[in-house]
Amino acid sequence: DVKVTQSSRYLVKRTGEKVFLECVQDMDHENMFWYRQDPGLGLRLIYFSYDVKMKEKGDIPEGYSVSREKKERFSLILESASTNQTSMYLCASSRRQVYEKLFFGSGTQLSVL
Amino acid sequence: AQSVTQLDSQVPVFEEAPVELRCNYSSSVSVYLFWYVQYPNQGLQLLLKYLSGSTLVKGINGFEAEFNKSQTSFHLRKPSVHISDTAEYFCAVTSYGGSQGNLIFGKGTKLSVKP
Repeated sequence: DVKVTQSSRYLVKRTGEKVFLECVQDMDHENMFWYRQDPGLGLRLIYFSYDVKMKEKGDIPEGYSVSREKKERFSLILESASTNQTSMYLCASSRRQVYEKLFFGSGTQLSVL
Repeated sequence: AQSVTQLDSQVPVFEEAPVELRCNYSSSVSVYLFWYVQYPNQGLQLLLKYLSGSTLVKGINGFEAEFNKSQTSFHLRKPSVHISDTAEYFCAVTSYGGSQGNLIFGKGTKLSVKP
């Protein structure tokens, strides 16, 4: 069964901490994504990557960076966590074509205190 | 620019009743359309998608959707719902020739099926 695995289901951090969210896929997918999900706002794209070391900003990249050193792994980094980054973070992967479906991880609920 | 509007944020319905979840989109070019479902404490999974051809698309778990170009709609339907269909449903759109970085999700519709 295909899998997108996010390293933590729940995470609690303090304001100002550097936070790493890790995502691994086992499907040899070219594309990987980080979304943020907030009640009433749906999913908003933070960053996506279409190849190793390649990335593009999504709709809300401010305060975030990403790293993709290997094809199967895509990391989201919060350089200095703030309370307004408390949210559910969803990682996804897909094949390259625009009509291919996304496979999602189960999400990481991040609380910044 | 594209946009997608899910007209209902919450839809309560009784078990075995029919349901329709509404989705309208806006785009100046041809589009691909998707419905994803998110069960409690899980990530999203694809229910169905419209790429081209027949405007009636059948998906998993007995769901179907109809693409209506003139109405710019892609409503999701199920003739008889079960308790297990309780979930949040997201409509999404992207354009021909675009990238998946341009996939736009609606704000979601929470379907609550009551016994």
